[in-house]
Amino acid sequence: QKEVEQDPGPLSVPEGAIVSLNCTYSNSAFQYFMWYRQYSRKGPELLMYTYSSGNKEDGRFTAQVDKSSKYISLFIRDSQPSDSATYLCAMSPNSGGSNYKLTFGKGTLLTVNP
Amino acid sequence: DAGVTQSPTHLIKTRGQHVTLRCSPISGHKSVSWYQQVLGQGPQFIFQYYEKEERGRGNFPDRFSARQFPNYSSELNVNALLLGDSALYLCASSFYSGGTDTQYFGPGTRLTVL
Repeated sequence: QKEVEQDPGPLSVPEGAIVSLNCTYSNSAFQYFMWYRQYSRKGPELLMYTYSSGNKEDGRFTAQVDKSSKYISLFIRDSQPSDSATYLCAMSPNSGGSNYKLTFGKGTLLTVNP
Repeated sequence: DAGVTQSPTHLIKTRGQHVTLRCSPISGHKSVSWYQQVLGQGPQFIFQYYEKEERGRGNFPDRFSARQFPNYSSELNVNALLLGDSALYLCASSFYSGGTDTQYFGPGTRLTVL
């Protein structure tokens, strides 16, 4: 079983739709949870960063972490064609105060159609 | 401020050759991490360096090595290249501030091994 599971999609939605992206994980040591956006042939760009359980909102993006279920989500409201990209979840343990080693999901390819 | 820079952008090598990839972190960042991203997969952790010392190593063979220089830039070296080494190699930098060590990724070097 992989440490982090993410449905690779692809996911295709109309402009303005609410998008829900999810990851599950098996390592209960994970404390830091991130969502990255990666455009084709580019490096990942950090979107959201959450420590432990709870919700975090930033504009049209909301990240949720449920550590009891080992489940994290990213919601995108009012999706735009410019949101079309691969979305990667990433997580790391709190090892000695450093969270340098990120474990990523496979990524979900999202297309928002105008 | 300039982001993480990597060179070269693209590289084509043949099996058995050696390759050196270079990374310059964001100004003020003291930590550099390397990741390998095979097509269709999430990035996999290779190394992390902080203050010129190796802080972590992923599950990669000894053909992979790295170092960090006094100006915090870094090199990733891969010897005896295999076809399976074809991937996007990503460098990420961070300040290393303990529990909030957010990593920022560069655009990557795309390595093709023929």
